[in-house]
Amino acid sequence: GDSVTQMEGPVTLSEEACLTINCTYTATGYPSLFWYVQYPGEGLQLLLKATKADDKGSNKGFEATYRKETTSFHLEKGSVQVSDSAVYFCALAPGTGANNLFFGTGTRLTVIP
Amino acid sequence: ETGVTQTPRHLVMGMTNKKSLKCEQHLGHNAMYWYKQSAKKPLELMFVYNFKEQTENNSVPSRFSPECPNSSHLFLHLHTLQPEDSALYLCASSPGGAGLNEQFFGPGTRLTVL
Repeated sequence: GDSVTQMEGPVTLSEEACLTINCTYTATGYPSLFWYVQYPGEGLQLLLKATKADDKGSNKGFEATYRKETTSFHLEKGSVQVSDSAVYFCALAPGTGANNLFFGTGTRLTVIP
Repeated sequence: ETGVTQTPRHLVMGMTNKKSLKCEQHLGHNAMYWYKQSAKKPLELMFVYNFKEQTENNSVPSRFSPECPNSSHLFLHLHTLQPEDSALYLCASSPGGAGLNEQFFGPGTRLTVL
């Protein structure tokens, strides 16, 4: 079945450090891939998405490339800020047109000044 | 109001109480979802409504009862809950139908069962 596996946290980085959060997926068909972010005390917000192989999603300095050959969608940012501290979730929408999303377990990022 | 709203934001209840969580979306969407978010566990999909019809019930105990009177409103009725039901309950909506469906989340209701 469809599933997402993402890097366990927590991750602690100093401000301006580089970030990579790994995400790999298992899916039948051609899924769409997402990264969601959850700031303290809030719900999940869509950060970026990619709908087909080799697409790159980007937003707020974050990027992720949909790589079919490695079934991966790793989240990257070149220089993190304290305000990026949050929990990040990788998610997959099946290519079957179903409405459900399959989420990873989430990775907590803490950025220290 | 814009986006997806949830009330109350916080709820404390005893095991014998009956309460309801409310979700409202102002996005013109046709699909709505309830998720349970517990510490150190993956986000758990509970219920899905698509065009007001329940299309998914992920083996959720009957002490949780959803209601979707129209495509803008979704309720989760709670009764005789257990302490392990304490969690953040998130509502989401999406356009519905076939095709890519990004989900938009509300801020959640933090539920504590004593």
